[in-house]
Amino acid sequence: EIVLTQSPGTLSLSPGERATLSCRASQSVSNNYLAWYQQKIGQAPRLLIYGASSRATGIPDRFSGSGSGTDFTLTISRLEPEDFAVYYCQQYGSSPLTFGGGTKVEIK
Amino acid sequence: EVQLVESGGGLVQPGRSLRLSCAASGFTFDDYAMHWVRQAPGKGLEWVSGISWNSGSIGYADSMKGRFTISRDNAKNSLYLQMNSLRAEDTALYYCAKGGYSGYIRYFDYWGQGTLVTVSS
Repeated sequence: EIVLTQSPGTLSLSPGERATLSCRASQSVSNNYLAWYQQKIGQAPRLLIYGASSRATGIPDRFSGSGSGTDFTLTISRLEPEDFAVYYCQQYGSSPLTFGGGTKVEIK
Repeated sequence: EVQLVESGGGLVQPGRSLRLSCAASGFTFDDYAMHWVRQAPGKGLEWVSGISWNSGSIGYADSMKGRFTISRDNAKNSLYLQMNSLRAEDTALYYCAKGGYSGYIRYFDYWGQGTLVTVSS
């Protein structure tokens, strides 16, 4: 099973700032099959990024994903008020599918 | 518009069984894999199980193997999760999620709002 470790656990930033979230895998993720999700309180998760760097339908271009192998990054170029939420990475390179523990992006 | 509506959650005693359902609409159901993902109160996301478009390929998280059974009925656009021998640690919000492909080893591009399962005596 691939274990995903997200860091930091909490990121305190102000609107307009840049957010950089990390996801590290315990072994190489096949084909860079890594996705990112956003979850707001009381809501279901929303797909942001798949294939490490492809934006899902309707996702603003301030969200970008990068990385390969075992190290992946989600970057939010300029935080909007609606971006404060919890973010999860998920690998789908192999079964069982696994999620990271999440990074909370909170308002500073 | 893709819609996934879960049902069947509730309060159940440890050791008992429960069957969850998910009604899908807004897409060609039998073209895509489907999944169950759960979230314990205040915790992160945990994949439970996935099933390919034709039920030919199925996967489970290790902690659910042997207790949970996923199935689908393409004629009814429905996904199911039979949960047996329930434990307190199975208490969670269970989400139905659409896979991004016909095979189940994929990301999840649409999610329902979840159905809450509480295991307690």
